[in-house]
Amino acid sequence: AQSVAQPEDQVNVAEGNPLTVKCTYSVSGNPYLFWYVQYPNRGLQFLLKYITGDNLVKGSYGFEAEFNKSQTSFHLKKPSALVSDSALYFCAVRVNTGGFKTIFGAGTRLFVKA
Amino acid sequence: EADIYQTPRYLVIGTGKKITLECSQTMGHDKMYWYQQDPGMELHLIHYSYGVNSTEKGDLSSESTVSRIRTEHFPLTLESARPSHTSQYLCASSEYPTDRGYGYTFGSGTRLTVV
Repeated sequence: AQSVAQPEDQVNVAEGNPLTVKCTYSVSGNPYLFWYVQYPNRGLQFLLKYITGDNLVKGSYGFEAEFNKSQTSFHLKKPSALVSDSALYFCAVRVNTGGFKTIFGAGTRLFVKA
Repeated sequence: EADIYQTPRYLVIGTGKKITLECSQTMGHDKMYWYQQDPGMELHLIHYSYGVNSTEKGDLSSESTVSRIRTEHFPLTLESARPSHTSQYLCASSEYPTDRGYGYTFGSGTRLTVV
């Protein structure tokens, strides 16, 4: 079955420290992978995507993600966390089920402490 | 059955026409959203609403407007359609507050083509 897993419900990081939010996937074929962020009282906002090419993808707000085909992972990273990065983060993958569909992970809540 | 409905599923219209994309949900969710999505690609937030008489613009610059007169209904209107509006439009709703996990329910989408 095609799926996306975010193994951590919550990640706690001190401001200024690097952060990682984990995502693994299980899909057939070459995946299209996405990260979204949801700040309080807003909808999902697109952060970055991997389609093909360089395994390290850079996105909005200083975030980046590394595609690792052998480990089927697409972890979200940021070198130096900000308090304002505190939000809910969703990993997603495009699947082809006769038409394209997006499958979302369960989400990881990131807390950045000052 | 609790669900979220979008009509029409497909729409082809001429440039300059005014159109309204309909979205209704029967789950009683306070939060509703409109996203634009090119086939198989990322979602971009156009508008969202916290509840009746509440509407906000999203991240994607859009020439569309929305209204939320009733909890269950969140229509999107394009006053003058242009070919650049050709895309898929997805409506979604979520429980308030959205706790951990994926609390969104998406409609099936409206695929709009402006010629």
